[in-house]
Amino acid sequence: SQQGEEDPQALSIQEGENATMNCSYKTSINNLQWYRQNSGRGLVHLILIRSNEREKHSGRLRVTLDTSKKSSSLLITASRAADTASYFCAAQRGAPDKLIFGTGTRLQVFP
Amino acid sequence: SQTIHQWPATLVQPVGSPLSLECTVEGTSNPNLYWYRQAAGRGLQLLFYSVGIGQISSEVPQNLSASRPQDRQFILSSKKLLLSDSGFYLCAWSEPGQGVYEQYFGPGTRLTVT
Repeated sequence: SQQGEEDPQALSIQEGENATMNCSYKTSINNLQWYRQNSGRGLVHLILIRSNEREKHSGRLRVTLDTSKKSSSLLITASRAADTASYFCAAQRGAPDKLIFGTGTRLQVFP
Repeated sequence: SQTIHQWPATLVQPVGSPLSLECTVEGTSNPNLYWYRQAAGRGLQLLFYSVGIGQISSEVPQNLSASRPQDRQFILSSKKLLLSDSGFYLCAWSEPGQGVYEQYFGPGTRLTVT
């Protein structure tokens, strides 16, 4: 069954604004990953945060992880129209690195 | 560099017909391989994963099966498709071992069962 739940399900913003997506999961994890999916395409890995990390940055992306609340957030700063896509969190536990995906947030960035 | 291929890209099959989707990875050895299904507007559900030739683990009971006849080849099959098998099927790979690794996804196969 799906372990992750994402909030909001859909988000519409203007270019230049920041977009924040939240993810909650149910059990202990080894790490949490965020992926992006353009419509009808495969997923692309964005960023990985380990269970002993609290915050990580990559370019315009900022990810936080709160293991006590079993939640993570993805912040995209200064959004662009090209950021329009669905974003999924994925909790990894066990071996090999099986990922349990959330339901995703559909982000629409208007130029 | 590593690449992952899936085919076909789209497939329309009648109920009760067989299915074979193929995934191949290039540029790496002994990868972990995964099959996922994505229902419309939903997240991904892990169907099968494999850590080596002939080693398949199933995550959910279903009408599908998987095989890994070669190191970098992963096949998803069904003897008789159901309407509920429709969806977007994604193959992925990750580095071997038990480290912390990202997964790399193929372009996917959109299956419509009619």
